Amino acid sequence: QSALTQPPSASGSPGQSVTISCTGTSSDVGGYSYVSWYQQHPGKAPKLMISEVTKRPSGVPHRFSGSKSGNTASLTVSGLQAEDEADYYCSSYAGSNNLVFGGGTKLTVL
Amino acid sequence: EVQLLESGGDLVLPGGSLRLSCAASGYTFSSYAMSWVRQAPGVGLEWVSAIGGSGEPTYYADSVRGRFTISRDNSRNTLYLQLNSLRAEDTAVYYCARGYVSSGWFDCWGQGTLVTVSS
Repeated sequence: QSALTQPPSASGSPGQSVTISCTGTSSDVGGYSYVSWYQQHPGKAPKLMISEVTKRPSGVPHRFSGSKSGNTASLTVSGLQAEDEADYYCSSYAGSNNLVFGGGTKLTVL
Repeated sequence: EVQLLESGGDLVLPGGSLRLSCAASGYTFSSYAMSWVRQAPGVGLEWVSAIGGSGEPTYYADSVRGRFTISRDNSRNTLYLQLNSLRAEDTAVYYCARGYVSSGWFDCWGQGTLVTVSS
């Protein structure tokens, strides 16, 4: 299965909003409402930020939100803070008990 | 507090074998499916394998099917990954993660263990 497509980098100033896209196909992102987003700081394990397209696990700030349109899912970070600087990965169920990840986006807070 | 702690990573020759372990604590281990996810140096994440809470079913990525075997011992709250016929491209940090492939989420991850395949 091919990896989902994410922009390699994104940036914004503190307080601004930034949106990261995750493009797949009708066999993964477009076919299921099972897109998740993970935050990974350098040298750390990934942390679940969004599950099932829009669900925010307990403890994740409301500044993080998810959405999907067709074959593209998006993660929006509103009110950017310095601690949001990290790598972000999307994932999607791809059918037949397979899961595919995106290549990752490095978010820089200017 | 839910905790996952991997171990077993090492430097191994191409064609060699290794067994990774993941010790779980802080929750009822048998109630959750588990997966292994790997991350090659400087690269993104790749799902490797999953197992149901009872030990079945098991699932594998095409890149490892036939070479890797996932298993669990619910009496020991431990997840395993047996890696055989290792290749250079298997070099990565291997994470264990709690969650469901069919729902696409993993809500708890270990800190990872490094497997290096090199001569």
